[in-house]
Amino acid sequence: AQSVTQLGSHVSVSEGALVLLRCNYSSSVPPYLFWYVQYPNQGLQLLLKYTSAATLVKGINGFEAEFKKSETSFHLTKPSAHMSDAAEYFCAVSLNNNDMRFGAGTRLTVKP
Amino acid sequence: NAGVTQTPKFRILKIGQSMTLQCAQDMNHNYMYWYRQDPGMGLKLIYYSVGAGITDKGEVPNGYNVSRSTTEYFPLRLELAAPSQTSVYFCASSLPRTSGGPSTDTQYFGPGTRLTVL
Repeated sequence: AQSVTQLGSHVSVSEGALVLLRCNYSSSVPPYLFWYVQYPNQGLQLLLKYTSAATLVKGINGFEAEFKKSETSFHLTKPSAHMSDAAEYFCAVSLNNNDMRFGAGTRLTVKP
Repeated sequence: NAGVTQTPKFRILKIGQSMTLQCAQDMNHNYMYWYRQDPGMGLKLIYYSVGAGITDKGEVPNGYNVSRSTTEYFPLRLELAAPSQTSVYFCASSLPRTSGGPSTDTQYFGPGTRLTVL
């Protein structure tokens, strides 16, 4: 079965530091992968998605993610964290029906 | 466009009560979904619909029912509320897939309904 695992339920960085949120997937077929962000008391919003085109995917707010088949990973990065990036981030994989499986989430804290 | 809207924002139910969570979208999306979000568990799909009159179970459908009589609305019904249904519920919608296989389409989420069952 396809699924995603997010390593680290909580990540804390200083403002201006690199953000790295880890996501590994398991899939028997080429996956479609997504990163969503959830700000406090809001619904989820798409950051970026991988749909088998370019392996380096650029999203909104300066985030990007690289699909690495050999490592079964789709880690999310941002070169320089901003206070407004504090939120919860979810990695997700699209299945062969209309089902999308989400990881447990990683809460990002940005310290001034 | 208002996007995906959900009502109510908050609700407290007693065990055994019933209620309907409302969801509406104005983007003319064929596909709609209901998820629940529990702390540290990510989102779990409850039910989904690929169009008016068509619904199907997701990962955690027990204790819930849905209907889809129009493209715009996708209500979620809890018949006999239980403490295990305390959660935050999200409705989402997306465009239909153009072919079989996994969906590449973005899901658009509502702001959520926070439900507590006591």
